[in-house]
Amino acid sequence: EVQLVESGGGLVQPGGSLRLSCAASGFTFSSYWMSWVRQAPGKGLEWVANIKQDGSEKYYVDSVKGRFTISRDNAKNSLYLQMNSLRAEDTAVYYCARDRTYDSSGYYGMDVWGQGTTVNVSS
Amino acid sequence: DIQLTQSPSFLSASVGDRVTITCRASQGISSYLAWYQQKPGKAPKLLIYAASTLQSGVPSRFSGSGSGTEFTLTISSLQPEDFATYYCQQLNSYFGGGTKVEIK
Repeated sequence: EVQLVESGGGLVQPGGSLRLSCAASGFTFSSYWMSWVRQAPGKGLEWVANIKQDGSEKYYVDSVKGRFTISRDNAKNSLYLQMNSLRAEDTAVYYCARDRTYDSSGYYGMDVWGQGTTVNVSS
Repeated sequence: DIQLTQSPSFLSASVGDRVTITCRASQGISSYLAWYQQKPGKAPKLLIYAASTLQSGVPSRFSGSGSGTEFTLTISSLQPEDFATYYCQQLNSYFGGGTKVEIK
């Protein structure tokens, strides 16, 4: 079964750090771009970051640049999000997703999602 | 950055209705657009990719069209399980603001 399982969420004080993990199974992890997407309480989806198959390209939404780092370990079939200098506005459910990326025909979408892990930034 | 604007942000409809949701991009994005459905407390589900291709396993009452700056998601006959929030997404990044479909 193709599956993504996130972990590492929790309550953290403003300015603190947290590392999210996403364990992949049931597919060839090293063949796919991977993304983190978050959803603040009662709000819409927000793309956070993505990473190429070999980790050579990484992209971030402006609001997390310089604070968050996306990484992956293909040997462990795992995706990570290191979050530093956390702010109240980072409070959200964080999803990892398999990204089929695009070619000249179009964008193929994020077809596999985890169940999400909740990050709460509060004093 | 390219902005995606969905309309309406909320719609009320009845079972059996034809429903159309629009997503407008601030710049042309060719067919680099996907649509998702999300139910409360659940992860999003991919419905349509490359603007008009139905994801495997998604009912044929869902369809997508458009290219460039204007895209539509259509549900031909709304079913009870379709009441949810729908999002468009461009390339592999930004999402639209969402459209919540509720029961009339």
